[in-house]
Amino acid sequence: QKEVEQNSGPLSVPEGAIASLNCTYSDRGSQSFFWYRQYSGKSPELIMSIYSNGDKEDGRFTAQLNKASQYVSLLIRDSQPSDSATYLCAVRGNTGGFKTIFGAGTRLFVKA
Amino acid sequence: KAGVTQTPRYLIKTRGQQVTLSCSPISGHRSVSWYQQTPGQGLQFLFEYFSETQRNKGNFPGRFSGRQFSNSRSEMNVSTLELGDSALYLCASSTNSATNEKLFFGSGTQLSVL
Repeated sequence: QKEVEQNSGPLSVPEGAIASLNCTYSDRGSQSFFWYRQYSGKSPELIMSIYSNGDKEDGRFTAQLNKASQYVSLLIRDSQPSDSATYLCAVRGNTGGFKTIFGAGTRLFVKA
Repeated sequence: KAGVTQTPRYLIKTRGQQVTLSCSPISGHRSVSWYQQTPGQGLQFLFEYFSETQRNKGNFPGRFSGRQFSNSRSEMNVSTLELGDSALYLCASSTNSATNEKLFFGSGTQLSVL
């Protein structure tokens, strides 16, 4: 079992729609959860962080965390073609020492 | 504030050689992490350093090693290169918070092993 799992996609949504990206993790001791966006040929950049159960909103982005289900999600409202990228879920824990583990990423295409 | 700087940007080596990659973190950041990115495997964790100490190491062979200097700059070394080591190597820096580590990535070093 991978430590952080994501559907590789691609996920295709029309412009203006809601894109829903999901992630599960295996380490119950994980403490911090992140979403990074990576455009083709570029490095990952942080877009959201969440540390406690519930929802966290930032502009068009909402991160959701459910520690009991070991599940993290990212909603992108009013999706734009510029949102087309790979979205990486990352989980940080202290099992065996601090480390941040990334999922393989979900490719998102927003069609104009 | 300058971002994370990785050098060199591109490297071409042959099997059996060794390579050293360098990373200068954002000023004030004391933690540096290294990742290997390949199309098939995504971002794989290599090491994390804080204040010159390795906090954790990923599941890579001993040919992969790293270190961090007192000025927080970090290097990673790969010895006896194999074709499968061809990848983008990304360095990320962060503040000294152990749990809330938001990572800031450099542009990476693209390593090709021939």
